[in-house]
Amino acid sequence: DVKVTQSSRYLVKRTGEKVFLECVQDMDHENMFWYRQDPGLGLRLIYFSYDVKMKEKGDIPEGYSVSREKKERFSLILESASTNQTSMYLCASSFPLQSYSGNTIYFGEGSWLTVV
Amino acid sequence: QKEVEQNSGPLSVPEGAIASLNCTYSDRGSQSFFWYRQYSGKSPELIMFIYSNGDKEDGRFTAQLNKASQYVSLLIRDSQPSDSATYLCAVRRKNTGFQKLVFGTGTRLLVSP
Repeated sequence: DVKVTQSSRYLVKRTGEKVFLECVQDMDHENMFWYRQDPGLGLRLIYFSYDVKMKEKGDIPEGYSVSREKKERFSLILESASTNQTSMYLCASSFPLQSYSGNTIYFGEGSWLTVV
Repeated sequence: QKEVEQNSGPLSVPEGAIASLNCTYSDRGSQSFFWYRQYSGKSPELIMFIYSNGDKEDGRFTAQLNKASQYVSLLIRDSQPSDSATYLCAVRRKNTGFQKLVFGTGTRLLVSP
């Protein structure tokens, strides 16, 4: 079974804190993604990475950064958390699009972040 | 106009009926179309994808794509209470080498026993 593990399921942070959300996958996937999911807005792509140390901005990168030092690990960083970043964050991974199973993206269980 | 639109529901159907979920998209050059199921408090899981006009069947699920009308639908035959979930439609934009998907907000399906 593919496993995408988000280390923190529920977090409460204060405004202005630096927040790290960690994600690890065990399928040797090249691609990794961070989404946020909000009621009425659906899933929106924050950042994705197609290789170690490589990253691309998604649709809503403002206020976020990412780090991918190892193939299996992709971190989302909120440099200075704000209340409008209260959301559910989903990490995902996949093989390259051109590969046989490249159309399948596997999601982690989600991290619920509340910024107060 | 949202890039991917879905009726939020809930769509209520009795057990054994056919559930029909619809999705429209605005980018005519979109290439691939995906249906995900998300149970409450859980992560989305891929049901199926389609990229050619017509129907694609997988067990009780059938995806239908009509690029001329820019809609994609998901039919669930013999609906079960365990199918009660939110169904997300997602679209891969044209000319993207990666799986940059745009998601709709989802349709909540309730199947009553």
